[in-house]
Amino acid sequence: DVKVTQSSRYLVKRTGEKVFLECVQDMDHENMFWYRQDPGLGLRLIYFSYDVKMKEKGDIPEGYSVSREKKERFSLILESASTNQTSMYLCASSRPGTGSYGYTFGSGTRLTVV
Amino acid sequence: DQQVKQNSPSLSVQEGRISILNCDYTNSMFDYFLWYKKYPAEGPTFLISISSIKDKNEDGRFTVFLNKSAKHLSLHIVPSQPGDSAVYFCAASFKAAGNKLTFGGGTRVLVKP
Repeated sequence: DVKVTQSSRYLVKRTGEKVFLECVQDMDHENMFWYRQDPGLGLRLIYFSYDVKMKEKGDIPEGYSVSREKKERFSLILESASTNQTSMYLCASSRPGTGSYGYTFGSGTRLTVV
Repeated sequence: DQQVKQNSPSLSVQEGRISILNCDYTNSMFDYFLWYKKYPAEGPTFLISISSIKDKNEDGRFTVFLNKSAKHLSLHIVPSQPGDSAVYFCAASFKAAGNKLTFGGGTRVLVKP
């Protein structure tokens, strides 16, 4: 069964901490994405990557960075966590050109910043 | 500025009846529209999609209708079942943007037994 695995289901961090959210996929997908989900706002794209070492900003990149050193792994970094980054974070992957089927998502990481 | 909007945050329906979820979009460049279903503490899962060159796509109990002139799509679930209770997200993509998905705000569906 193909999978996108996010390393933590729940995280609690303090304001100002550097936070790493890890995502690994076993489908050999080129594309990987990080979204955050907030009530009423749906899923908003933070960063995405079409290949190793490549990254592009999504709609809400401020306060975040990413790393993609290997094809299967895409990390989201909160440089200095703030309370407004409390959210559900969802990682996804896809093949190029899969407009009709979209993405495979991980189960999400619920991050609380206190 | 939200390019994909779901104006109904919630919907309650009796088991066996039809559920109709609506979605509006503003970007005429979108060429694929998708619906995802999300249970609590799980990631969204793909449900059904439709190309912009079609006006209807059906898969079992799920049918998606697209009205390009109105920039509107809808998802019909017939008959609704208690297991359909979830949050449904409408999403859209276009090839020139690398098929990145833009999501609506979601509609929470509750199917009552």
